[in-house]
Amino acid sequence: GNSVTQMEGPVTLSEEAFLTINCTYTATGYPSLFWYVQYPGEGLQLLLKATKADDKGSNKGFEATYRKETTSFHLEKGSVQVSDSAVYFCALTGGFKTIFGAGTRLFVKA
Amino acid sequence: NAGVTQTPKFQVLKTGQSMTLQCAQDMNHEYMSWYRQDPGMGLRLIHYSVGAGITDQGEVPNGYNVSRSTTEDFPLRLLSAAPSQTSVYFCASSYARESSGNTIYFGEGSWLTVV
Repeated sequence: GNSVTQMEGPVTLSEEAFLTINCTYTATGYPSLFWYVQYPGEGLQLLLKATKADDKGSNKGFEATYRKETTSFHLEKGSVQVSDSAVYFCALTGGFKTIFGAGTRLFVKA
Repeated sequence: NAGVTQTPKFQVLKTGQSMTLQCAQDMNHEYMSWYRQDPGMGLRLIHYSVGAGITDQGEVPNGYNVSRSTTEDFPLRLLSAAPSQTSVYFCASSYARESSGNTIYFGEGSWLTVV
């Protein structure tokens, strides 16, 4: 079946550092890929998505590229802020089901 | 815009009690689902529905029932609560298209403790 694996956290960075959170997937067919973000005490909200190979999703300075050859969808940001502290979830949709990774907690220090 | 609304936000149950988590959406979405979130395990799909009258099981359906009598509502029932069901529960909805890139919209979560 489909699955998503993302790097374990927590990840602790200083403000303005470069961020990478790795995500790899296993799926049949051509899934859509997503990054969701969860701020403390809230539900998840969409950060960015890509629906086909080589697509790049971007939002709020975050980017991720759908790499079919490496089955990856790594999240990157060039300069993180304290307000980016949250839990980040990689996810894929195949058929009618969306599968989430375990989540990566990010702490950004001022 | 209310989006996805779920209640209650917090609940404490005794082992063996039953209860219903309510979920409603006002976006006319066909697809609705329930997830539970546990530390280190991400979100796991409990049940989902692709339209009124149609439901199916997700990864962890045991101990839970759902029904979908209207497009708007998708309640989750715990039949006989167990401590293993202590978790944070999220209701979610989206437009239903197979293998689509549709965004999922989440409720704010329900924190359930079973003692």
